Amino acid sequence: KQEVTQIPAALSVPEGENLVLNCSFTDSAIYNLQWFRQDPGKGLTSLLLIQSSQREQTSGRLNASLDKSSGRSTLYIAASQPGDSATYLCAVTLNQAGTALIFGKGTTLSVSS
Amino acid sequence: NAGVTQTPKFRVLKTGQSMTLLCAQDMNHEYMYWYRQDPGMGLRLIHYSVGEGTTAKGEVPDGYNVSRLKKQNFLLGLESAAPSQTSVYFCASSPAELTDTQYFGPGTRLTVL
Repeated sequence: KQEVTQIPAALSVPEGENLVLNCSFTDSAIYNLQWFRQDPGKGLTSLLLIQSSQREQTSGRLNASLDKSSGRSTLYIAASQPGDSATYLCAVTLNQAGTALIFGKGTTLSVSS
Repeated sequence: NAGVTQTPKFRVLKTGQSMTLLCAQDMNHEYMYWYRQDPGMGLRLIHYSVGEGTTAKGEVPDGYNVSRLKKQNFLLGLESAAPSQTSVYFCASSPAELTDTQYFGPGTRLTVL
């Protein structure tokens, strides 16, 4: 059974720091991996989607990498800002029928000014 | 273009009552999903649908029923609510192509007393 783990569960940093969030998954037979952002009391917003054939994706200050063979992904946030404070969720899509996502429990980030 | 909408946003039920949560999407997506999010458990898939008239069970389907009579709507029913069904429910939709992400609604916060 595919399991997705995110470390750390919570992270507090001062504004301006570069930081890395980690995601690991137990079964390398994934179709893609996604990073989402969730603000308190809100829905999920997709940040980056990495296909299994890709190594990384970038969007602005965000960079996500994928190492399928080792079952790992990282989300790098450059020059963090208070507006980056949210919960970040990692999710994988299995390489089989049906496209439902399997989520990690998330990393809650707090960026102080 | 409203994306994915959910009705209602909040609801309080007594044990044994029934209710239906409505999800609607205006993106002409083939696939739709219902997840629940609980503290410490992350998001878990309840049921999903790969097209109008089809439904399938996810990870935690017990106590729920679903229907997809129209492509744009996906209904989640609780026939006899239990306190264990207190949760935040998210609906999502996606196109059939796995290269695209899932789009999430804002969630329904349900409390069962």
